Amino acid sequence: GAGVSQTPSNKVTEKGKYVELRCDPISGHTALYWYRQSLGQGPEFLIYFQGTGAADDSGLPNDRFFAVRPEGSVSTLKIQRTERGDSAVYLCASSLSFGTGYEQFFGPGTRLTVL
Amino acid sequence: AQRVTQPEKLLSVFKGAPVELKCNYSYSGSPELFWYVQYSRQRLQLLLRHISRESIKGFTADLNKGETSFHLKKPFAQEEDSAMYYCALSGFQKLVFGTGTRLLVSP
Repeated sequence: GAGVSQTPSNKVTEKGKYVELRCDPISGHTALYWYRQSLGQGPEFLIYFQGTGAADDSGLPNDRFFAVRPEGSVSTLKIQRTERGDSAVYLCASSLSFGTGYEQFFGPGTRLTVL
Repeated sequence: AQRVTQPEKLLSVFKGAPVELKCNYSYSGSPELFWYVQYSRQRLQLLLRHISRESIKGFTADLNKGETSFHLKKPFAQEEDSAMYYCALSGFQKLVFGTGTRLLVSP
């Protein structure tokens, strides 16, 4: 079956602009996670959803970052007033349910470049 | 604080040589530890988890709570093992990753 998909695969924007990154989880997966991977680093947790609600958003770096999952499936990560330091690969993952016993399946990522 | 340390950025070995990718962690409770792998032009995927105590693609990893380590080992490396390997810790549902080790297996 289809895995986690993310669009766009690449996004180039200018400093100060607004961007939206989309994640389509595996069908039936109720838990959805966002991570950010900067060059030379491992993925860093941003936020996760159980259903429609954000269960833990402690990883969001500041209030320019926001994520939604209105119908409990597709999620959008929104970044306002982008800065050059936001340049990274943004990864989405989903799992069948909530809890560490459930494997997280990762998408291919969106590479964001802020000029 | 939760932290995962992978001290080696690059590990280069010849085919058939043993491999050990090091991982140390810091966690106040009872962690769940994982190894993830990313092959060239592929997405990040789970390789193994400590609770399964299984061998995947010839790789094994033992959780040593005394040394707070979860090293990944394989007795005979293959060229197809060349990839980026990330050790990760699961605490409060989210994964905390190390910085990764690139394994390069030469013929």
